[in-house]
Amino acid sequence: GAVVSQHPSRVICKSGTSVKIECRSLDFQATTMFWYRQFPKKSLMLMATSNEGSKATYEQGVEKDKFLINHASLTLSTLTVTSAHPEDSSFYICSASQREQFFGPGTRLTVL
Amino acid sequence: AQSVAQPEDQVNVAEGNPLTVKCTYSVSGNPYLFWYVQYPNRGLQFLLKYITGDNLVKGSYGFEAEFNKSQTSFHLKKPSALVSDSALYFCAARPLGSSNTGKLIFGQGTTLQVKP
Repeated sequence: GAVVSQHPSRVICKSGTSVKIECRSLDFQATTMFWYRQFPKKSLMLMATSNEGSKATYEQGVEKDKFLINHASLTLSTLTVTSAHPEDSSFYICSASQREQFFGPGTRLTVL
Repeated sequence: AQSVAQPEDQVNVAEGNPLTVKCTYSVSGNPYLFWYVQYPNRGLQFLLKYITGDNLVKGSYGFEAEFNKSQTSFHLKKPSALVSDSALYFCAARPLGSSNTGKLIFGQGTTLQVKP
C-alpha cells in the first residue's frame, strides 16, 4: 500500500528558531500533498494544499510567511515553521494524494 | 458551509459488545466518505470508504460503516469491540468537483474507549 513518511517524528526547538518538516511519499508520486495541524484530542485543521511545482494554497487564517511550504518534487513536500514560538507547538501531519489521501505518521513540534 | 459532524466526543463500550460511532455530513452532491483511526502520537490510518454502490461498506480490522443517504449519515460499526480498538476515530468527506484534488472535510473526532 501507499506509504508516507515524515521526518523528524519529534523535534524540540528554542523560540525564534526555524524548523523544517519533511513529508515523503515512498512508493508513489503525489502531485498534491496536504499539511494539517492537530491540537490535543482535536480534529485536524487543514493548513495548506501543496502542489508540485507551484505555490501552496493556504487556508484562511494560516500565515503563509510563517508556515513556508515547498513541494519541489513529486515525492517530497516540506513545511518550515519560521521563527517558531511556543504557540506553534503542535502535532503536524502531512498527507499525499493519489486519488485518495495517505497520511504520514506526524511530527510532534515542541517550542520552548 | 460544508461540514462533517461527529456528535459524540467519546463512546464507551465493553469488550465484546457492538460499537457504533456516529457521523453525519452536510456536503453538496454525492461526496466520498471515509473513516480513519488514529492511535496516540500517530498519523491517521485508513479504515474504509464509501464511493457508490452497496450501503454497507466493510473495512479493516472488522469495521464496517453504513451509508444512509436520506439521513446523510455514515456511522461506523463493529459487531464485537476489542480493547485494542480504543483510539480516536475521524469521519471525513471529500466533496466531488472540489478544485483542490482530494481535499477532505474532517469531523471533530470521537474517542472510542473499550473496557475489558
